[in-house]
Amino acid sequence: QVQLVESGGGVVQPGTSLRLSCAASGVIFSTYGMHWVRQAPGKGLEWVALIFFDGSSEFYADSVKGRFTISRDNSKNTLYLQMNSLRAEDTAVYYCAREGNYDYSFDYWGQGTLVTVSS
Amino acid sequence: QSALTQPRSVSGSPGQSVTISCTGTTFDVDGHIYVSWYQQHPGKAPKLIIYEVNRRPSGVPDRFSGSKSGNAASLTISGLQAEDEADYYCCSYAGSYTWVFGGGTKLTVL
Repeated sequence: QVQLVESGGGVVQPGTSLRLSCAASGVIFSTYGMHWVRQAPGKGLEWVALIFFDGSSEFYADSVKGRFTISRDNSKNTLYLQMNSLRAEDTAVYYCAREGNYDYSFDYWGQGTLVTVSS
Repeated sequence: QSALTQPRSVSGSPGQSVTISCTGTTFDVDGHIYVSWYQQHPGKAPKLIIYEVNRRPSGVPDRFSGSKSGNAASLTISGLQAEDEADYYCCSYAGSYTWVFGGGTKLTVL
């Protein structure tokens, strides 16, 4: 049973940093591309970032490019999102999602972790 | 990376069919077969229900179907059931390893 569990969310001030983690189990983590998708309170989904299965390439939405960094440690079955220079508009539930058995779609999602950026 | 356009809400009675539209551009919906749909119940994570325009993952009922014509995709739910009441999001690959979601549609089962 594939399980993705996010952690690291919290309340932070604008301009500060936060690192999210996503621990994977029940899956050969190192064979799948992984994404972060976020959802502002009461709003829709927004794709944030992708990292290839082997960590060789990363891609970002324009809204976070230059501020966020996606990474992974396949030896620990863990995905990360380093978020710097946080803004109020980054407030959202952050989901990690697997691009797995169905190309270019997200077949497993974590339960999400809430990040609130507020002074 | 502008969001795809979906109606804010749709509704239908049990047993009826509803269709949710999703309009994009030549750079996303019209440019790729990689349109997917997600169902999200309140407080829950999204669930993949359609991928590659009209294919269903294992375990998703055949009441859910998808289609695409040009820059417009759609999700049809037939034989509406109470448990189908949820938010639905379309998503399209937009090239250069980026994705774009729709704004979401709230389905109410009357």
